[in-house]
Amino acid sequence: GAGVSQSPSNKVTEKGKDVELRCDPISGHTALYWYRQRLGQGLEFLIYFQGNSAPDKSGLPSDRFSAERTGESVSTLTIQRTQQEDSAVYLCASARTGGREQYFGPGTRLTVT
Amino acid sequence: QQPVQSPQAVILREGEDAVINCSSSKALYSVHWYRQKHGEAPVFLMILLKGGEQKGHDKISASFNEKKQQSSLYLTASQLSYSGTYFCGTETPKGDYKYIFGTGTRLKVLA
Repeated sequence: GAGVSQSPSNKVTEKGKDVELRCDPISGHTALYWYRQRLGQGLEFLIYFQGNSAPDKSGLPSDRFSAERTGESVSTLTIQRTQQEDSAVYLCASARTGGREQYFGPGTRLTVT
Repeated sequence: QQPVQSPQAVILREGEDAVINCSSSKALYSVHWYRQKHGEAPVFLMILLKGGEQKGHDKISASFNEKKQQSSLYLTASQLSYSGTYFCGTETPKGDYKYIFGTGTRLKVLA
């Protein structure tokens, strides 16, 4: 079946602009995660959605970052007033209910100029 | 809070063995391991839920010592395809499905 998809694959934006990143999880996967990966660095947890429960937002670095998910489908990560330090690859992953294996999407490479 | 991996980088010849360690300052419910090739998304390797349990697949296996809050990944008779960056992901004792990933270990296998 189809894997996790993310769009756009690349995004170049000017400092101060808002951006929206989209994630389509694997159908039926109730858990969805967002991570940030700076160049040459590890995976930084941002936010976790599980079904209809309140999301775990503990990893969001500032109030400029927000994410939404409609039911168990698409999720959107929004970064407002982008800064150069926001430049990174943003990875989305999904998992089955009760499953711990995460399936990652190809990521969105964000460059803030 | 972020688990620490060691070594940071390792270079091997084909056929050689390697061990990658993941150490946490906090108690753990589970540990899982991923491999990320350059420019690609991380791919799941395995997960360990019980202390002391060792799991394996082909020539890659792992162990998890709950008491020491450590996990190790063992790569036996390495192949060129093993090259990449390996990350451990640790889950707190709450078992809340939220993972904190380690610092990563870059592995390069040479012919």
